[in-house]
Amino acid sequence: EPEVTQTPSHQVTQMGQEVILRCVPISNHLYFYWYRQILGQKVEFLVSFYNNEISEKSEIFDDQFSVERPDGSNFTLKIRSTKLEDSAMYFCASRGIGRLYGYTFGSGTRLTVV
Amino acid sequence: DQQVKQNSPSLSVQEGRISILNCDYTNSMFDYFLWYKKYPAEGPTFLISISSIKDKNEDGRFTVFLNKSAKHLSLHIVPSQPGDSAVYFCAASGANAGKSTFGDGTTLTVKP
Repeated sequence: EPEVTQTPSHQVTQMGQEVILRCVPISNHLYFYWYRQILGQKVEFLVSFYNNEISEKSEIFDDQFSVERPDGSNFTLKIRSTKLEDSAMYFCASRGIGRLYGYTFGSGTRLTVV
Repeated sequence: DQQVKQNSPSLSVQEGRISILNCDYTNSMFDYFLWYKKYPAEGPTFLISISSIKDKNEDGRFTVFLNKSAKHLSLHIVPSQPGDSAVYFCAASGANAGKSTFGDGTTLTVKP
């Protein structure tokens, strides 16, 4: 069964450093998303990406965040200057046509900012 | 503004019995509703969905019911199995909106 792959599975970074979280969505999917889950809290929407551009973003997704699909297969989330409160599980998801089919999520990257 | 709420943080049932997980929403523009299951250290896995034009959708042991007037949906698992023990999230999305808004999750424990 096709899957969404995220790397790394765990990243520890110093506050103020830049991090790039990587995702390989399912190849024939068209819609791509980043969500995050702070420990013990709900799964929060960050950004959606379609047709090589951001289609929607949340309040969390400020100027410190950016997304790219540099080569048509990878989908990356960059945090320019990490803060302690950015520590969370970050999930990449993709979806084909048809919202009834739901997202396929990756296993997540646990980001720890120290 | 919590648009999707799961008021029960946890639920415990005996193997073989029915599990009923509930979800309420406030945004009347939502028209697709989905349930996901999540095990520790994994991403959520899509389970079942329903569009607002239906009031019931069934897939094997899983049935989702939608009551639009009450803005309420529920997931029934019959019969429950120990492997169903996980965190269950309901999610909702609106017309022309790709993103889904998730509830807080309900931790289901099925006891052998």
